[in-house]
Amino acid sequence: EAQVTQNPRYLITVTGKKLTVTCSQNMNHEYMSWYRQDPGLGLRQIYYSMNVEVTDKGDVPEGYKVSRKEKRNFPLILESPSPNQTSLYFCASSLWGQGSPYNSPLHFGNGTRLTVT
Amino acid sequence: EDKVVQSPLSLVVHEGDTVTLNCSYEVTNFRSLLWYKQEKKAPTFLFMLTSSGIEKKSGRLSSILDKKELFSILNITATQTGDSAIYLCAVPAMETSGSRLTFGEGTQLTVNP
Repeated sequence: EAQVTQNPRYLITVTGKKLTVTCSQNMNHEYMSWYRQDPGLGLRQIYYSMNVEVTDKGDVPEGYKVSRKEKRNFPLILESPSPNQTSLYFCASSLWGQGSPYNSPLHFGNGTRLTVT
Repeated sequence: EDKVVQSPLSLVVHEGDTVTLNCSYEVTNFRSLLWYKQEKKAPTFLFMLTSSGIEKKSGRLSSILDKKELFSILNITATQTGDSAIYLCAVPAMETSGSRLTFGEGTQLTVNP
């Protein structure tokens, strides 16, 4: 089944303790991206990647790192989490970049609810 | 700075009503506008619009784009309780290495029986 898999689904951690949220897709998609969703602010893009070893900042990259060493995986790393990073996180992928003239809808993972105390 | 604004932010209707959701945008290098529906979990794709005046339709949902006035509308006719969701509008902006995607805040639609 074609899907985007995020883990974990729920995570509670403490300030400063490094964590990684994994994301994997099995559709051979070129484009992958991370978003956070907060009440009143909607979905905001953290980082995106057009292909292996090609990543770029979205609107809210501060405090996050990503890597794209393989096409299928795009982990999100919080080196020193803080309470303002408490949020619902989504990973998504699409066949082409989102500016493509071809219809390339995003496929979203089921989300990771992160709480930083 | 790219901007996508949706209205209303919240809407409560009765089954059978018709609703119109709005999305206005300001973005450099416009290519397309996307609509997504988010129920309890992850957003799912509805429409991609690239040309003004051409309606996209899927069942009771339809959408149209106006590139001159920089907005799009999403219409839902004969609403059902299953239409209750957050409806998201998004616009990609081309950068040198790819494409950033800016979402609006979303419209929370509640359809009551």
